[in-house]
Amino acid sequence: DAGVIQSPRHEVTEMGQEVTLRCKPISGHNSLFWYRQTMMRGLELLIYFNNNVPIDDSGMPEDRFSAKMPNASFSTLKIQPSEPRDSAVYFCASSFQIAGELFFGEGSRLTVL
Amino acid sequence: GESVGLHLPTLSVQEGDNSIINCAYSNSASDYFIWYKQESGKGPQFIIDIRSNMDKRQGQRVTVLLNKTVKHLSLQIAATQPGDSAVYFCAENMRGGGNKLTFGTGTQLKVEL
Repeated sequence: DAGVIQSPRHEVTEMGQEVTLRCKPISGHNSLFWYRQTMMRGLELLIYFNNNVPIDDSGMPEDRFSAKMPNASFSTLKIQPSEPRDSAVYFCASSFQIAGELFFGEGSRLTVL
Repeated sequence: GESVGLHLPTLSVQEGDNSIINCAYSNSASDYFIWYKQESGKGPQFIIDIRSNMDKRQGQRVTVLLNKTVKHLSLQIAATQPGDSAVYFCAENMRGGGNKLTFGTGTQLKVEL
């Protein structure tokens, strides 16, 4: 069975460039989450969607970050402009039910030079 | 200067011994708890969960204990194997908080042969 699919797995970019991370959740799951993991702060929830609607974006660091979920099978997390402090591993996760088990993707490792 | 990252607690055990990983959670309103395992370079993977109306739940080789009085959660792994080496995170979900899981900082488990 296909799990949560994220792309790209690795991205290296220069400060000021736009970064778009992509996620395909598990088919049938109705909740989607974006997390960021760093050594300094651990795993942080950025935003989550339920039935394609953003429910809580209080974890989004600032206006440079935006996330969309145009349909049940696709979501993007965009950073524009990127900064070196955005360097982290970004995880997408999906679940079937409220407060249910989250299934994580393999993550997108972002390095901003 | 060089940034200082989170200092992950480390638990070293001999192969075949039992492991106990502890977690203190923060919110007395949390009613659902999950343990995740994260291997190097991968996303977190669900191990076991427990709801606040229980104090113990068993899975295959794993047991989760919940002490709501002192807001403490533990994960016991029986007959620890080399494949158990990973970082283990506890996560909590607050009652009425939607699907928002808050993760702890994690514990590194090292299994020595």
